[in-house]
Amino acid sequence: ELKVEQNPLFLSMQEGKNYTIYCNYSTTSDRLYWYRQDPGKSLESLFVLLSNGAVKQEGRLMASLDTKARLSTLHITAAVHDLSATYFCAVPKSYNTDKLIFGTGTRLQVFP
Amino acid sequence: DGGITQSPKYLFRKEGQNVTLSCEQNLNHDAMYWYRQDPGQGLRLIYYSQIVNDFQKGDIAEGYSVSREKKESFPLTVTSAQKNPTAFYLCASRRQGKGQPQHFGDGTRLSIL
Repeated sequence: ELKVEQNPLFLSMQEGKNYTIYCNYSTTSDRLYWYRQDPGKSLESLFVLLSNGAVKQEGRLMASLDTKARLSTLHITAAVHDLSATYFCAVPKSYNTDKLIFGTGTRLQVFP
Repeated sequence: DGGITQSPKYLFRKEGQNVTLSCEQNLNHDAMYWYRQDPGQGLRLIYYSQIVNDFQKGDIAEGYSVSREKKESFPLTVTSAQKNPTAFYLCASRRQGKGQPQHFGDGTRLSIL
């Protein structure tokens, strides 16, 4: 059974600092998705990573995928308060399916 | 504007009652999904549909039912058989094609009276 684990589960960081969120998954996958959720709100798609070694960047966030290690990272550069949210990674349950298994999420709080 | 509309935003269920959550999309997406989110947890798939008049159970389908009579609409019924329905329910849709992300509605928060 596919398991998707994120760490840390909770992250409190100061503005201007850098940090990395990790997403490990237990079976092979050719895709990985990152989403952002603000409290009580919907999920917003951040990144779609489609191949080993894929790297995507948007503003202060950069995501990468290592399919051999079954690991994705979400790196935050020079954090600002607006990045405070919960971040989820999600992996397809198997090849040729879009049934996603979500991680438990990393709740990020950025303080001055 | 294109998007996914869920209604109502808040819903209260009495014991023994069935309630229906609405999900409508005007993105012309073929696939639609229903997820349940409990506090501090990730999303779990209830049902999904890849085409009109067809749908499949997800990981936690017991106590729920769906229909897909139109491409735009994918309503979810929470039946009285679902003994712990209090949760945040999210509907999503997706365009065909590898790597296309799912797009989510704003959710419905269901509570028991």
